[in-house]
Amino acid sequence: NAGVTQTPKFQVLKTGQSMTLQCAQDMNHEYMSWYRQDPGMGLRLIHYSVGAGITDQGEVPNGYNVSRSTTEDFPLRLLSAAPSQTSVYFCASSSIQEIAEAFFGQGTRLTVV
Amino acid sequence: GNSVTQMEGPVTLSEEAFLTINCTYTATGYPSLFWYVQYPGEGLQLLLKATKADDKGSNKGFEATYRKETTSFHLEKGSVQVSDSAVYFCALSDQAAGNKLTFGGGTRVLVKP
Repeated sequence: NAGVTQTPKFQVLKTGQSMTLQCAQDMNHEYMSWYRQDPGMGLRLIHYSVGAGITDQGEVPNGYNVSRSTTEDFPLRLLSAAPSQTSVYFCASSSIQEIAEAFFGQGTRLTVV
Repeated sequence: GNSVTQMEGPVTLSEEAFLTINCTYTATGYPSLFWYVQYPGEGLQLLLKATKADDKGSNKGFEATYRKETTSFHLEKGSVQVSDSAVYFCALSDQAAGNKLTFGGGTRVLVKP
C-alpha cells in the first residue's frame, strides 16, 4: 500500500536552477497539497488542488508552480531556485470530505546553494 | 486569521515520565483540532483529532481535550516510551478557511531510556 510517494528524497540545486518535485498518490484522493517545513515555523501551505485541472495558491506560493493533470499526480516546480527555498517539502493528499485528515509523503529535503 | 501556538522544544524526558505539550489556537470560525506526529525521517501522521468542544481525542495512549473556553488542545501521555520520540504538531482546520490545515511550529520530544 504505497500511499503518497515523493521523489526525490534529497536534492541539491544551484541558485537559478529549476526542478520538479514529484508527488503521486494511489488512494484516489481529490485533494492534494504541498507544504514546506522550516524550523520553528511548522508546515506552510504552498499550493493545493481540489481535483484534476484545479489548483490554487496557499500561504507561500511565490517561486513555485503546480499543475494537476491527473487525480494521482501533483508535481511542484521550482522555476528559479533561491537559497530561501532551502527547506523540506511535503506532499499530502486527502479525501474532499475530510481535507484535514491528510496523508503525507516522506518529504524531499532540498538545499539551494 | 487562524493561528496555532505550541510550546517550543525540545522536551527531554525519561522513559515512563508524563508528557504534556501545550497548544492554543486562534480561529475565526469553529475549528476542528488535530495532533500530527512526525517520526524521524518520515512524513506526518494523524495522531488524534477532536471536532467539537469538550471532545476528547485519543490514540496510542495519547489524549487531548478540545477546550473552547481556553482555546486549547493540550496533548498528554501518562507514560512515554523511547518510541514516542518524534516531533508533534498541533493543527486546526476551519470551514471558514476552506478546511485547510493551519499548523503550529512543532515540538520535538526526546525520550531517553
